Amino acid sequence: KAGVTQTPRYLIKTRGQQVTLSCSPISGHRSVSWYQQTPGQGLQFLFEYFSETQRNKGNFPGRFSGRQFSNSRSEMNVSTLELGDSALYLCASSLEPGGSYNEQFFGPGTRLTVL
Amino acid sequence: QKEVEQDPGPLSVPEGAIVSLNCTYSNSAFQYFMWYRQYSRKGPELLMYTYSSGNKEDGRFTAQVDKSSKYISLFIRDSQPSDSATYLCAIPNPSNYQLIWGAGTKLIIKP
Repeated sequence: KAGVTQTPRYLIKTRGQQVTLSCSPISGHRSVSWYQQTPGQGLQFLFEYFSETQRNKGNFPGRFSGRQFSNSRSEMNVSTLELGDSALYLCASSLEPGGSYNEQFFGPGTRLTVL
Repeated sequence: QKEVEQDPGPLSVPEGAIVSLNCTYSNSAFQYFMWYRQYSRKGPELLMYTYSSGNKEDGRFTAQVDKSSKYISLFIRDSQPSDSATYLCAIPNPSNYQLIWGAGTKLIIKP
């Protein structure tokens, strides 16, 4: 079974631009969560989607948004990029929502660098 | 004070040594504890989970929870260079079901 895939793997943008990251979950998994990972803050939860609905949201500004499609694929968007948005963005899928009590399977991440 | 504290390391030990990785937490309501392993340029993968107190063993790995001290540990016996990775503890917050992550400890096993 194919794992979680994320595209692109690497991205370089400049301040003020916007970016869209994509995640394809494991086949049959309906829940997708997004995380930001930085050396200083570690892993921080962004949001969780299940059946095209956002079920949970972390403490990030409104510049961070996401969506989920009917095939469970998910995208996240960051508008008006700031230097501090440079991070590894990880997507994780699970069979059911409330992902923390269900095993989450992570993709390799998208490394975003904001210049 | 962070809800979950973990020393980021790095922790460097010789091959074959017993490794002890630890996290402390502040909320006594936490009941479920996870350890993830993250190799370089990969996403985290679930290694082990434990519920409440006690030990859980899986091959060379043992997860231990001491709820009285709010302290969780992961022991690796007969450590191998392939165990070199970052180990993250993660605890579900029972109020919103989201994972609270430790900073991760970078482990280096020297051949």
